[in-house]
Amino acid sequence: RKEVEQDPGPFNVPEGATVAFNCTYSNSASQSFFWYRQDCRKEPKLLMSVYSSGNEDGRFTAQLNRASQYISLLIRDSKLSDSATYLCVVKTHNNDMRFGAGTRLTVKP
Amino acid sequence: DAGVTQSPTHLIKTRGQHVTLRCSPISGHKSVSWYQQVLGQGPQFIFQYYEKEERGRGNFPDRFSARQFPNYSSELNVNALLLGDSALYLCASSLLSGRAYEQYFGPGTRLTVT
Repeated sequence: RKEVEQDPGPFNVPEGATVAFNCTYSNSASQSFFWYRQDCRKEPKLLMSVYSSGNEDGRFTAQLNRASQYISLLIRDSKLSDSATYLCVVKTHNNDMRFGAGTRLTVKP
Repeated sequence: DAGVTQSPTHLIKTRGQHVTLRCSPISGHKSVSWYQQVLGQGPQFIFQYYEKEERGRGNFPDRFSARQFPNYSSELNVNALLLGDSALYLCASSLLSGRAYEQYFGPGTRLTVT
């Protein structure tokens, strides 16, 4: 079992749609959680940290469920510019950052 | 402010050779991490350095080594290159180590081993 698992997609959605990505992690000692986005042949860029109480940044909402070892990202009112690969990242106690393989999103006009 | 910079951008090497990749963190960031990303996968953690000390190591062979300098820049060295080392090598910097920190990535060095 991979330490961080994501549905690879692809998710193809129309503009304006709401889309949700899920991520599960296996290490219960994981301490910090993040979502990154990565455009084709570019470096990952931090989208948002994920806090225990859940957090929102504009159209993006992240949730953490420690009991189920589950992280989610919700994107509302999708834009064409949201097309990218979304990476779930989990930091363990020894500073090891584990990335999922990513979920690819394409937003279509 | 300048972001994380890496050099070179691209590199072509032959099997058995060694390579040195360089990274300069964002000004004020003391932690640098290295990752390997092959096509279709997420980045794989190689090393983390904080205040010039190794603070984390991923599951990579001893052919991979790194160091951090007093100015917080870092080098990643790979010896006895294999075809399978062909990948995008990413450097990320962060403000501090510990329980919660956010990493910012450089554009990467694309290494091709022939």
